[in-house]
Amino acid sequence: ILNVEQSPQSLHVQEGDSTNFTCSFPSSNFYALHWYRWETAKSPEALFVMTLNGDEKKKGRISATLNTKEGYSYLYIKGSQPEDSATYLCAFETGGGADGLTFGKGTHLIIQP
Amino acid sequence: DAGITQSPRYKITETGRQVTLMCHQTWSHSYMFWYRQDLGHGLRLIYYSAAADITDKGEVPDGYVVSRSKTENFPLTLESATRSQTSVYFCASSEWMGQEQETQYFGPGTRLLVL
Repeated sequence: ILNVEQSPQSLHVQEGDSTNFTCSFPSSNFYALHWYRWETAKSPEALFVMTLNGDEKKKGRISATLNTKEGYSYLYIKGSQPEDSATYLCAFETGGGADGLTFGKGTHLIIQP
Repeated sequence: DAGITQSPRYKITETGRQVTLMCHQTWSHSYMFWYRQDLGHGLRLIYYSAAADITDKGEVPDGYVVSRSKTENFPLTLESATRSQTSVYFCASSEWMGQEQETQYFGPGTRLLVL
C-alpha cells in the first residue's frame, strides 16, 4: 500500500491571504502526481497533472510545484477567496498506464471572510 | 454532453442483499475506475478497467465484483452487502495516450447505506 500524506489536514485562512499545503509521496516508481479540488456534495475536479521533477503548473490564482526526488508537491493559493473553500486532494500514480490513483486524505481549506 | 453519470445517486439496502451501482461515460474513455470514500481513509481504489473485458483489482476489492462488457459502462456489484460497505462510491474515467498522462474525471457519486 502506497503512502500519500497531505498536511495540514485542515486550514483556516483569512480572505485575501495566500496559503500553501503539502503532499508527500513515495519517491520511487513515480509516474505522475495529480491535484484535485473537491467541493462538498460535488465530485472531485482535476486541477493539475504533474509528471516532471521541477514541474510548475498554474491555473489562475492556484499553482503547484513538484519535487519527485524528495517526494513532495506544494499547492499554493494566492489571495484566497471564499470560493476557494474546498478539500484539496493529491493523488499519486505509479508505473505506466492508468492503473488507478492512490489518494491522500486531503487538506480541508476554509476561507474566512 | 452528459460526461460521466452514476445511478442510483442514493441507495439504502439491507445486509446480505445484492446491489449494483451503475456508471456510464459518454467520452469513450478506455479506462474506468471505482473508488470508495470513507471518513479517515480518503478515496480508495476498488477496481479498475483498462478496456472492455479487462478488469483488475485495486486496493480494496473484497466483496465487490465488476464487469465491463461495453466501453461506456462499468457496473459495480456488491454480491452480499455488509454494513462495512456503507460508503460513498465514485466512478471515474480517463484516457491514456501513450506517454501523455490524462486526468481522471469523476462522476457525482452514489451514497450507499447498508442496514
